[in-house]
This record gives sequence, structure tokens and C-alpha cells, in this order.
Amino acid sequence: DTEVTQTPKHLVMGMTNKKSLKCEQHMGHRAMYWYKQKAKKPPELMFVYSYEKLSINESVPSRFSPECPNSSLLNLHLHALQPEDSALYLCASSRAIPGGTEAFFGQGTRLTVV
Amino acid sequence: AQKITQTQPGMFVQEKEAVTLDCTYDTSDQSYGLFWYKQPSSGEMIFLIYQGSYDEQNATEGRYSLNFQKARKSANLVISASQLGDSAMYFCAMRGLILTGGGNKLTFGTGTQLKVEL
Repeated sequence: DTEVTQTPKHLVMGMTNKKSLKCEQHMGHRAMYWYKQKAKKPPELMFVYSYEKLSINESVPSRFSPECPNSSLLNLHLHALQPEDSALYLCASSRAIPGGTEAFFGQGTRLTVV
Repeated sequence: AQKITQTQPGMFVQEKEAVTLDCTYDTSDQSYGLFWYKQPSSGEMIFLIYQGSYDEQNATEGRYSLNFQKARKSANLVISASQLGDSAMYFCAMRGLILTGGGNKLTFGTGTQLKVEL
């Protein structure tokens, strides 16, 4: 099973709402990632979790709050977003070993902030 | 700092023909990895092929092969016998130094939109 599952697939939220994006994998991967992708642009790394600990935060605004409750789950909590935060949010996972391996991505959540 | 350059914003290919998507990179790391991903309009990033900087043989995966020329810092993707389902955005990406604690930090190129025609 090489599947990364993201929910929801689409989300529309107001600027005062609080919502969460969820990501799940059962490949035994201990590295998990959040990427943000604007239309017609490449993905940009937001956060990296390794062994359930946050190892990289790419200077992401605090209105995005990641959480890794266990080795299979990764959440992204959203609060007080701006319209410019509308994008495709991709979750990925990989083995956390030296030498690196391919990252497997989910289908993404298309977020619209109104 | 790492940089990936894809100079072809769009490419057209006839069905059953082969196509080469260009990717050049720049890095000061001795150890790195190069990836190609396919992104259909549905949004999912699909892993296609991987080449490590110390791999002497070019990587192949089915109809996909990676033409790795280390001295020229290029890692072109070759798709043989194109199919209509190959129409998608293709991203070249690089993994640099291994992150403390494990995992990859991928830097992506700007992508090439491939359209396969009948």
C-alpha cells in the first residue's frame, strides 16, 4: 500500500473560521511533510515531521499549526487565514533514513479562503 | 543553495512517440538525489523515478528513464511510447543534504506541462 490519504479533498472557509486538514499513511514512514502549491507553481515545503517531532518549519505564519499525533497521522490546523492562503495543500511521507527515498504524496486538499 | 531549472513550460508529443523533458540542477552538495513527479489535473503528485548522485547507471522504471549527465548537471526524463494518459504536469525535484533526524527536503523545478496528442 503506497497510499497517502488526505481529507477533505475540497474546503471553503471564511477568514474567521477554524478548520483542520488531515493526512494518514500506513506505510510505516516516519517522515511526514506539508507542502503548499499555488496554481501553476511548484510545491513549496511548509513543515517536516521526523519521528513525530517537528524538524523543519519554513517560516510559515502561525495561522498554520501542524500536529503529528502519531506515526500515521499528520494534521494542519488553520485559523484566521487570508484569501492569499488559498492553494492546494499536499501531504507527503517518506522513510526517515540516511540517503533519502522518494516521498509519496496524497491527492491534496484544495483550500479556498473567502 | 539548490536550484532546479526546467526550461520547457509546455511540450506536445504525438501518441506512441518518445519525448524528453529537460531538467538541469545546481548544488554544492556531494550527495544528492533527483526525482521526477507527475501531477495530473486531479492534483496528486505521482512519483515516477529516482536517481542518486552516486548511481553510475541511469535509472529506468518501465516507460520512464532518466538520462543523468552529472558533469553537465542534467537529469532529463525520457518517456517512451507516449500515451494519452501521460498528459500532465511533470516536476523535476532534488533532495540535498539529509535532514537531521531523517527525511527529505525537496526543491522542485517550475514544471513542464506535457500534452499527448492523437
